[in-house]
Amino acid sequence: SQKIEQNSEALNIQEGKTATLTCNYTNYSPAYLQWYRQDPGRGPVFLLLIRENEKEKRKERLKVTFDTTLKQSLFHITASQPADSATYLCARGSDMRFGAGTRLTVKP
Amino acid sequence: GAVVSQHPSWVICKSGTSVKIECRSLDFQATTMFWYRQFPKQSLMLMATSNEGSKATYEQGVEKDKFLINHASLTLSTLTVTSAHPEDSSFYICSALDSRYEQYFGPGTRLTVT
Repeated sequence: SQKIEQNSEALNIQEGKTATLTCNYTNYSPAYLQWYRQDPGRGPVFLLLIRENEKEKRKERLKVTFDTTLKQSLFHITASQPADSATYLCARGSDMRFGAGTRLTVKP
Repeated sequence: GAVVSQHPSWVICKSGTSVKIECRSLDFQATTMFWYRQFPKQSLMLMATSNEGSKATYEQGVEKDKFLINHASLTLSTLTVTSAHPEDSSFYICSALDSRYEQYFGPGTRLTVT
């Protein structure tokens, strides 16, 4: 079956460092992948969309890559801040299925 | 950015009653909306895909007669949980797809069935 996986349930980093989150998928490459931020008790907030023909996309301190050979997308937050602490979700564009999420904690 | 609202934000109902949750795209039209359910500390589970003017497509294991979806306009989809039971208690979240295929989520509805 087709899966989308975020292999880290939790990630703790120091303020100012770069956080890197991983999203892997199986079988065919989706036309696009999306990354979201979710805070407790709230709906996810859209961050970035990257298409399969795009290698990289940036938005302020955020960067997303899409490697169809590795079947993987990486999500980077540079110069991380405690306010970046949240759960980050990736979703496969073809069927809007989500990975389990990675809970990021940025320590001051 | 695009805004999606949900109403109510939380609801408590008695077992056996029905509850309707509304999802609206406030500043864009959405031919496709999605309904998700999320249990504590778990990811979002897609329940159904709602297309304006046609029947919803339900995911495997989701009872279409229990979770009634109506997408009557390009800005409104509703989810009705019929004959609710305590195990239906969950966080229900809708989302709407804009013309660029970017998905925007509502704030969620916390349903508690007593």
